[in-house]
Amino acid sequence: QVHLVESGGDLVRPGGSLRLSCEASGFSFSDHYMSWVRQAPGKGLEWLSYIYSTGSYRNYADSVKGRFTISRDNAKNSLYLQMNSLRAEDTAVYYCARAVSGEYGHYLDFWGHGTLVTVSS
Amino acid sequence: DIEMTQSPSSLSASVGDRVTITCRASQTISRYLNWYQQKPGKAPNLLIYAASTLQSGVPSRFSGSGSGTDFTLTISSLQPEDFATYYCQQSFTALRTFGQGTKVEMK
Repeated sequence: QVHLVESGGDLVRPGGSLRLSCEASGFSFSDHYMSWVRQAPGKGLEWLSYIYSTGSYRNYADSVKGRFTISRDNAKNSLYLQMNSLRAEDTAVYYCARAVSGEYGHYLDFWGHGTLVTVSS
Repeated sequence: DIEMTQSPSSLSASVGDRVTITCRASQTISRYLNWYQQKPGKAPNLLIYAASTLQSGVPSRFSGSGSGTDFTLTISSLQPEDFATYYCQQSFTALRTFGQGTKVEMK
């Protein structure tokens, strides 16, 4: 059974840093590319980033490019999101999700429960 | 970046109603379109991928159609558990984008 468990969410001051983790189980982690998606309070979903199964390619939304870094450790079945220069508008629930490759691109078939990041002074 | 626009932003419906949600892409995306359902306080759940393929375990009352720039999600007979927010997402470009969501509320 696929499980994704995020951790690391916290209250942090503007300009601060935080590292989120996502521990995966129940599937071959190293075979899947993974994504981060966030949701600000009362708002919609925002795709943030994805990383290839080998970690060889990563991509970011413009809103976080240069501030956030996605990475993975396949030996530990873990996905990470290093967040620097945090802003109030980064306040959100952060979800990790497993991606599956199909004929028409990738889709996110399993999601974690999310971890809350609050950026406030 | 490709912008995804859903309509309506919200709708009120009753159990048993047929519900249709539209998603329009700012440029053609072939069939690179996925639909998700999200209930309050929960993570999103994949309903449909590649515009019309039903994810395993999703009830057959859900269906998707479209290609190019215009897509629809249809719930043939709304059930109590279907009151939720629905999002489309394109996977045509490296910068994936979601629509703003459509909230389906009880009339």
